[in-house]
Amino acid sequence: DGGITQSPKYLFRKEGQNVTLSCEQNLNHDAMYWYRQDPGQGLRLIYYSQIVNDFQKGDIAEGYSVSREKKESFPLTVTSAQKNPTAFYLCASSPRGFFSGELFFGEGSRLTVL
Amino acid sequence: AQTVTQSQPEMSVQEAETVTLSCTYDTSESNYYLFWYKQPPSRQMILVIRQEAYKQQNATENRFSVNFQKAAKSFSLKISDSQLGDTAMYFCAFMKSSGNSGYALNFGKGTSLLVTP
Repeated sequence: DGGITQSPKYLFRKEGQNVTLSCEQNLNHDAMYWYRQDPGQGLRLIYYSQIVNDFQKGDIAEGYSVSREKKESFPLTVTSAQKNPTAFYLCASSPRGFFSGELFFGEGSRLTVL
Repeated sequence: AQTVTQSQPEMSVQEAETVTLSCTYDTSESNYYLFWYKQPPSRQMILVIRQEAYKQQNATENRFSVNFQKAAKSFSLKISDSQLGDTAMYFCAFMKSSGNSGYALNFGKGTSLLVTP
């Protein structure tokens, strides 16, 4: 079945360690996004990519990095520079184009920093 | 910058009743899209309904409908005949243009809806 797969679903990390969250899609979508969700904060955009080998910072990119070497994959690295990384992370994709709009989401990854 | 405001953090409705969730937004753009997404306890985000700003007719999807007031920059969601499965977080979202680099959704903080028997 077509969809977006995020892994791992749960992740624990010690302070000072980098961690990479995986996001893979088989929907043949050009655009991919990473959002962070905190209680009472809604979803905030971290990074997004419209095409392979290109990506842009969202509203809260500091302390995060991404790559887009393949159309299907958009991994997110939470670096030790991220001051408050404990959160729920959602990956999404959409067909490219002004009128696409609809995002297809993965099931999320919950990161806890110990 | 576009902002989306949901002024109701939590709401409750009885099964079979009707409930309206509020959303306001701020933008200087004339053409845009608005969305309501649902996030049930499973955390899987699902699109509920979409509205194009250039369309005057309010969007409807089965029991879900919107009241889009462009001049007032208001986009409320009405859920009719509420069902227990409607219990979820509901997010209002605005599709903003990011220039030549593409587009991304800007979300409100969400409204937690509880449907009670």
